[in-house]
Amino acid sequence: TQLLEQSPQFLSIQEGENLTVYCNSSSVFSSLQWYRQEPGEGPVLLVTVVTGGEVKKLKRLTFQFGDARKDSSLHITAAQTGDTGLYLCAGKAAGNKLTFGGGTRVLVKP
Amino acid sequence: NAGVMQNPRHLVRRRGQEARLRCSPMKGHSHVYWYRQLPEEGLKFMVYLQKENIIDESGMPKERFSAEFPKEGPSILRIQQVVRGDSAAYFCASSPGPYTDTQYFGPGTRLTVL
Repeated sequence: TQLLEQSPQFLSIQEGENLTVYCNSSSVFSSLQWYRQEPGEGPVLLVTVVTGGEVKKLKRLTFQFGDARKDSSLHITAAQTGDTGLYLCAGKAAGNKLTFGGGTRVLVKP
Repeated sequence: NAGVMQNPRHLVRRRGQEARLRCSPMKGHSHVYWYRQLPEEGLKFMVYLQKENIIDESGMPKERFSAEFPKEGPSILRIQQVVRGDSAAYFCASSPGPYTDTQYFGPGTRLTVL
């Protein structure tokens, strides 16, 4: 069974600070997706990383896929209150199904 | 281009009743996935379907749950004789084909079993 561990489970920071969310596994994934989920809504895709060592930037968000394709991180620079939400990582292996991490709840306080 | 659509958004059933959840994939997408999110837990894969075919149902409970994706119309997730433990958010995702990495999610159906 493939597992994805996300850490931390909860993160509370002040507006303007930086934060990093980690997603780790002992399994190799062909790709990894990061989603953000608002209460009462479905996950919204932020990014897909495919190549080991890949780094993608989306405005203040930086996503990295580990060289061995077993782990990933999401870094937010100068967080804003609008960044508050549940961040989910999901790995895709053979068979197309996604394995999700448990999520990281981020609270950015004004 | 409309996204993945799910209905109903909220569904209340009494124990023993049947629940039917519908999912219309994004235009041009022929692959549908169902996931379940129990309260305070992550999303768990249930089933992967292509038009008229079940590709992978390894995450489906062995009893009471079934899924279909007919040639015409939406995909249906059916839960017979619901129990309180079935209360959860059920999400559908779609992709254009089997070799694409990204799945796009619908808003979910929140099932409450009284």
